[in-house]
This record gives sequence, structure tokens and C-alpha cells, in this order.
Amino acid sequence: QKEVEQNSGPLSVPEGAIASLNCTYSDRGSQSFFWYRQYSGKSPELIMFIYSNGDKEDGRFTAQLNKASQYVSLLIRDSQPSDSATYLCAVGFSGNTGKLIFGQGTTLQVKP
Amino acid sequence: NAGVTQTPKFRILKIGQSMTLQCTQDMNHNYMYWYRQDPGMGLKLIYYSVGAGITDKGEVPNGYNVSRSTTEDFPLRLELAAPSQTSVYFCASSYGGALSDTQYFGPGTRLTVL
Repeated sequence: QKEVEQNSGPLSVPEGAIASLNCTYSDRGSQSFFWYRQYSGKSPELIMFIYSNGDKEDGRFTAQLNKASQYVSLLIRDSQPSDSATYLCAVGFSGNTGKLIFGQGTTLQVKP
Repeated sequence: NAGVTQTPKFRILKIGQSMTLQCTQDMNHNYMYWYRQDPGMGLKLIYYSVGAGITDKGEVPNGYNVSRSTTEDFPLRLELAAPSQTSVYFCASSYGGALSDTQYFGPGTRLTVL
């Protein structure tokens, strides 16, 4: 059974701080890792993906992947109230099916 | 491009009723997916399709059926609605199934079964 685990939160940070969101996965065959943001009542939208060990930066967002420890994280620098949302971690596998396993999501609250 | 569209936005069903959730994409994507999201939970894959005429089960297929007669459309059928099927249903599409292929989501259908 492939599993993806996230702390449901809420994670509360002050405006301007760094928010750190974590995700662990059970299947060592996992190949790709996605972070989606979902505002309340809306559909998920992709923030970024990573599939190589190390860091990947995109603006205020940095994804970090450690395959040996089976975790992936998302750092949000200079957090803004507009970043308040649920962040979903999703894991993909080889085989060209496109299938993803999602974690339950972490709710982030950025307080002004 | 409208992207991925879903109808209806909301629906209330009685136990035992049937309905079809519609999903259409205009991005010429080959792959399409149906997920359900229960309150406070992540998304669970119901069915997916890698092209017209090809469908396969996901994590939670029981109680649902799908078809893919065209590239654009991927309807989800509930035959005998049960309260356990109360959820938000999202359709998504992607160009392919490669590791970096992004899935784009529709706005969702909120279904309540009473």
C-alpha cells in the first residue's frame, strides 16, 4: 500500500516568516513529487514538482527532496496572508500511467 | 482555452439514484483522471484513462463507472448512489503520464447523497 503522509495542521506562521511543510512517503519506487495549493472550496493548482534529490527553487517557493529518507518538503519564504491555503503533497511512479497518490494536506495560516 | 470543465457544480441525490458527472477538456490532453476528496482529506483516484477507449481503475473504483469515447470527454457514472459517495469530485487531465507531466484540475462537483 503506497502511502503519503502529511501533518494536517493547521500550521500558523506570522507574515514574512518562512513556512515549512513536510511530506513523507512509503514507496521507495516513488519517482516524482508534486506540491499543489488548494484554497478553500477551490480545485488544486500546481506550485512545483521535483524528481531529483536536493533543492529546487521557484520564486518564494523551494522544494527539497531526500529520497534516502523518503521525505519531501516545501519552504515558503516571506509568507503572505494570500499563501493561507491547504498544501497537498502528491507522489508519482514510473510506468507512464500518470497516477498520483496524494497526502491529506497541510493547512497553512499566515497571520498579518 | 477553457481548460478542464465539469458539470454540474452541485448536486443532491437520493439514495439509489443514478447520475453522470461530466468532464471535458480542450487542451488535447491524452490522460484524464477522476478523483474524490472527502472533507479534510487528500484526493483519492477513482478511475483514469490514458487515451480514448482505454480506462483503468484507481484506488477507490467501487460504485463508479467511466467511459472515454473521445479525447475531450471523460464522464463518471454513479449507478446506485450511497451516502458514502458524498464528496467533492475533481476531474483532471494531463498531456501524458511522464514524471513531469502536470495534471490540471477542473473546478469540481460537490455531491451530496441523502
